[in-house]
Amino acid sequence: GAGVSQSPSNKVTEKGKDVELRCDPISGHTALYWYRQRLGQGLEFLIYFQGNSAPDKSGLPSDRFSAERTGESVSTLTIQRTQQEDSAVYLCASSLVGGGNNEQFFGPGTRLTVL
Amino acid sequence: AQSVTQLDSHVSVSEGTPVLLRCNYSSSYSPSLFWYVQHPNKGLQLLLKYTSAATLVKGINGFEAEFKKSETSFHLTKPSAHMSDAAEYFCVVSVSGSSGSARQLTFGSGTQLTVLP
Repeated sequence: GAGVSQSPSNKVTEKGKDVELRCDPISGHTALYWYRQRLGQGLEFLIYFQGNSAPDKSGLPSDRFSAERTGESVSTLTIQRTQQEDSAVYLCASSLVGGGNNEQFFGPGTRLTVL
Repeated sequence: AQSVTQLDSHVSVSEGTPVLLRCNYSSSYSPSLFWYVQHPNKGLQLLLKYTSAATLVKGINGFEAEFKKSETSFHLTKPSAHMSDAAEYFCVVSVSGSSGSARQLTFGSGTQLTVLP
């Protein structure tokens, strides 16, 4: 595709339910990142994939959060037993290769609301 | 550790006047620095980046930023604001790990730019 896509664009769920967020990176991009953006705040790093391995999971806030990636393609971020503080926009980005100098291309995000 | 401080959460300018969005960073190593813009209901877009080449970096839409190591600053400027510049702007720092592994971007808290007619 032309850019990074994410689905769903909006998700409303009840506290305690599990949710799954999907990211389709730009074709050929080996690196994939997940971020969280709470209302009125900057982006908070969650996890980074190089290929289908995750060398940096340091940003995952708790063991309720997990992510996986299939090859150099789709990634899913799963939040189990959602809490109200999980409400945020979850952004996915991809870059051609990993490395701090490489431009990351961002998707439009998934807005998660936990009631 | 690395961090970014955007000194103003909101900036308001009149159309046609200069824009200055301030950013200070903290990094143990030589950083790469970026400015991203986020328009309402749109994804983040890279405006410009500094990666240890020229200290004055030109980006898209007439924006530029100057890396000043002595001041640990990377302020974003534009000579003349346009209505379409109204958006949220994020200053971002990245430092490559010693093993060469990729490092995540560290975002500032953002500056909301309002352009008045």
